[in-house]
Amino acid sequence: SQTIHQWPATLVQPVGSPLSLECTVEGTSNPNLYWYRQAAGRGLQLLFYSVGIGQISSEVPQNLSASRPQDRQFILSSKKLLLSDSGFYLCAWREGRGNQPQHFGDGTRLSIL
Amino acid sequence: DAKTTQPNSMESNEEEPVHLPCNHSTISGTDYIHWYRQLPSQGPEYVIHGLTSNVNNRMASLAIAEDRKSSTLILHRATLRDAAVYYCILAYGQNFVFGPGTRLSVLP
Repeated sequence: SQTIHQWPATLVQPVGSPLSLECTVEGTSNPNLYWYRQAAGRGLQLLFYSVGIGQISSEVPQNLSASRPQDRQFILSSKKLLLSDSGFYLCAWREGRGNQPQHFGDGTRLSIL
Repeated sequence: DAKTTQPNSMESNEEEPVHLPCNHSTISGTDYIHWYRQLPSQGPEYVIHGLTSNVNNRMASLAIAEDRKSSTLILHRATLRDAAVYYCILAYGQNFVFGPGTRLSVLP
């Protein structure tokens, strides 16, 4: 069966520091991968998605970037964090074909001080 | 982006059925209707999805109106573990737009 791993679970970073969040998927090949952010009490905002290695689509212009160095690895990065980058970051995957549902990781709670 | 409208909150008694409504009057012919639920500090969990016909799985049933402008998620017997935020989403291609959802409380 397929599994998705996200780490770390929680992270506290100072303003201006770099960021790297990693997400990996097991048990499937060529998945579509997604990064979302969720503010407290709100719905999810799609940040990036990827349909293949090295292919990244950005939904919202911002201080963040994403990369997909391997088929089942998706990384969210920032060179200099802002206070507004605080939130709950979620990685998700879905089968590359058809209208299949997305499956989410357990998320990373990021607090910027 | 295709949008959905859901009540902010609902309450149910344990072991009773729950009907969670969703309006999506701007749905297009190729939009799938997905439902997810989210517990605090966890990622959303897939519940069910469909296009035109009603759907059943081990978690819930999805009833889709004939004109597809609304749908209802049915939990046949609510348990305390069903207390969560439920999201109704229209999905086409990579476009999954999550609104604020419905917070379901289940009373013992």
